[in-house]
Amino acid sequence: GENVEQHPSTLSVQEGDSAVIKCTYSDSASNYFPWYKQELGKRPQLIIDIRSNVGEKKDQRIAVTLNKTAKHFSLHITETQPEDSAVYFCAALTGRRALTFGSGTRLQVQP
Amino acid sequence: GAGVSQSPRYKVAKRGQDVALRCDPISGHVSLFWYQQALGQGPEFLTYFQNEAQLDKSGLPSDRFFAERPEGSVSTLKIQRTQQEDSAVYLCASSPYSGANTGELFFGEGSRLTVL
Repeated sequence: GENVEQHPSTLSVQEGDSAVIKCTYSDSASNYFPWYKQELGKRPQLIIDIRSNVGEKKDQRIAVTLNKTAKHFSLHITETQPEDSAVYFCAALTGRRALTFGSGTRLQVQP
Repeated sequence: GAGVSQSPRYKVAKRGQDVALRCDPISGHVSLFWYQQALGQGPEFLTYFQNEAQLDKSGLPSDRFFAERPEGSVSTLKIQRTQQEDSAVYLCASSPYSGANTGELFFGEGSRLTVL
């Protein structure tokens, strides 16, 4: 089955700096790659996603890039703010119709 | 309702007890998923329903775990003879789409199970 690895497990940045989180996946048939943000004790919420026919997608301060050949995708957050502090999960969708999630990255934005 | 609703939010069970966790998906959502999230980890897939049909239960860790969605709406995840390793947050998610176009999942707040 699909295996998704996520790095780093923790990331601390100064307010205003950029943050990058990287994920790799194993199943070349995976075709959909969402990123979820989970604040402490809250439900995961989708922040951005990308499909395999696109290399990059941007939404204000967040962007996702996908390299199908290397089977990795990354989340980029620019001009980080304290409210960006949370756990971020990448995921990949294969033909089984269920998302496989990474282990998460705890992002801490220092004011 | 406005979102996915799960109950109970917190459940403490003694080892060996049976528990039932309920999920009310967003009205009209075709797909429903159950995930298990251990402390500090990402959600792990348990099972998937398309309407009332359970199309994938490959993630259920043992035959003590059972899920149903008899009318294609509310779903129940049942865990029999709970063990300490079952302690986790159980997340339910729904989607208006089915098959390979499941897309965005709308998660509930989760049910936190603690087995003593």
